[in-house]
Amino acid sequence: GQQVMQIPQYQHVQEGEDFTTYCNSSTTLSNIQWYKQRPGGHPVFLIQLVKSGEVKKQKRLTFQFGEAKKNSSLHITATQTTDVGTYFCAPQGCQIVNFNKFYFGSGTKLNVKP
Amino acid sequence: ETGVTQSPTHLIKTRGQQVTLRCSSQSGHNTVSWYQQALGQGPQFIFQYYREEENGRGNFPPRFSGLQFPNYSSELNVNALELDDSALYLCASSTGASGTQETQYFGPGTRLLVL
Repeated sequence: GQQVMQIPQYQHVQEGEDFTTYCNSSTTLSNIQWYKQRPGGHPVFLIQLVKSGEVKKQKRLTFQFGEAKKNSSLHITATQTTDVGTYFCAPQGCQIVNFNKFYFGSGTKLNVKP
Repeated sequence: ETGVTQSPTHLIKTRGQQVTLRCSSQSGHNTVSWYQQALGQGPQFIFQYYREEENGRGNFPPRFSGLQFPNYSSELNVNALELDDSALYLCASSTGASGTQETQYFGPGTRLLVL
């Protein structure tokens, strides 16, 4: 079955520092989504990446999809306290057996100290 | 607000009991997915319904079952509750056709505690 690893598990940064989380799959992906979950909240969609090597930006957030479509990253420049939360990747596999199954990574919990 | 609602918000049950959780999808969405999120973990896919039919299932036993109604609202039923079923249960609605990972809009979740 599809294996997804998200690292790091936790990240504590000082406000203004940068932050990156990585999502690595053992199999080639069809696409990948990223979600943010605030403490006590529910996951909120951030972005979807589909093309090999794709890079998308949302203000201070930069999302990348690897050339082999097996890994992805989310980078936040100059973190703010509003960035606090857990960031999840949600990859969709290419294999027919996995195509209708939706997996979330274990998440990276970001804490930002003011 | 996503327009996705879930009820109840919290629930306490005992081992062996049965529970039904409900989800109303966002207007215009015909696909509902259910997830189980244990404390400190990522959401685990239970199953998805598309136009009233199951459209994919994760690694959950048959005692986890579901329904989708003509108005695209959905129910998650869990029989013979176990302690490990204690978790936040999330539903997410989307507009996707079968097999497409569309943007999912999550509801606030139902927090289930099994004693």
